[in-house]
Amino acid sequence: DAGVIQSPRHEVTEMGQEVTLRCKPISGHNSLFWYRQTMMRGLELLIYFNNNVPIDDSGMPEDRFSAKMPNASFSTLKIQPSEPRDSAVYFCASRLRASGHYEQYFGPGTRLTVT
Amino acid sequence: KNEVEQSPQNLTAQEGEFITINCSYSVGISALHWLQQHPGGGIVSLFMLSSGKKKHGRLIATINIQEKHSSLHITASHPRDSAVYICAVRTGNQFYFGTGTSLTVIP
Repeated sequence: DAGVIQSPRHEVTEMGQEVTLRCKPISGHNSLFWYRQTMMRGLELLIYFNNNVPIDDSGMPEDRFSAKMPNASFSTLKIQPSEPRDSAVYFCASRLRASGHYEQYFGPGTRLTVT
Repeated sequence: KNEVEQSPQNLTAQEGEFITINCSYSVGISALHWLQQHPGGGIVSLFMLSSGKKKHGRLIATINIQEKHSSLHITASHPRDSAVYICAVRTGNQFYFGTGTSLTVIP
């Protein structure tokens, strides 16, 4: 398996633009997590899905952020409009949510820079 | 107040030394994770613990639920162990992360 795939790997955009980050989880995994990492705040969980259903989005910073998981093999995290303070590395992770299985597998991350 | 505290923040060791990284938390948890973030940024999940002790190669993780404390040990450390080690706890649907321990192992 190729592991968790994220695209793009790097994104530079201007303030006010819409940004869409994409994630393809490991085939067969049924939980997907979106994280954000900054120097100031470290790693934060934004939202996670079980069986394509959002379970907890309390980590989403504000209404400018939205996440969808239309099927088991694809998820998006959208920021609209983007702001400079959204600059961070965004990680997607997936896992097989089953008895005894809790290990998350992380994607390589998308480094977002908003100017 | 941080729900998860790690110590030390930075650690430099000579190759071969035994290393301990500590994690204390203040919330009731269902699980604790240790993550390793490589200098290139990639994150690897090392352990998930809910009780006791786990071992994988030179890495050992322990947790004391009563004391709300976990330790990550590295035996016979090697320069390739140089990374940031992050402790994360899960309580309900929430995850809380420590700020990480930056480990440098010198040859």
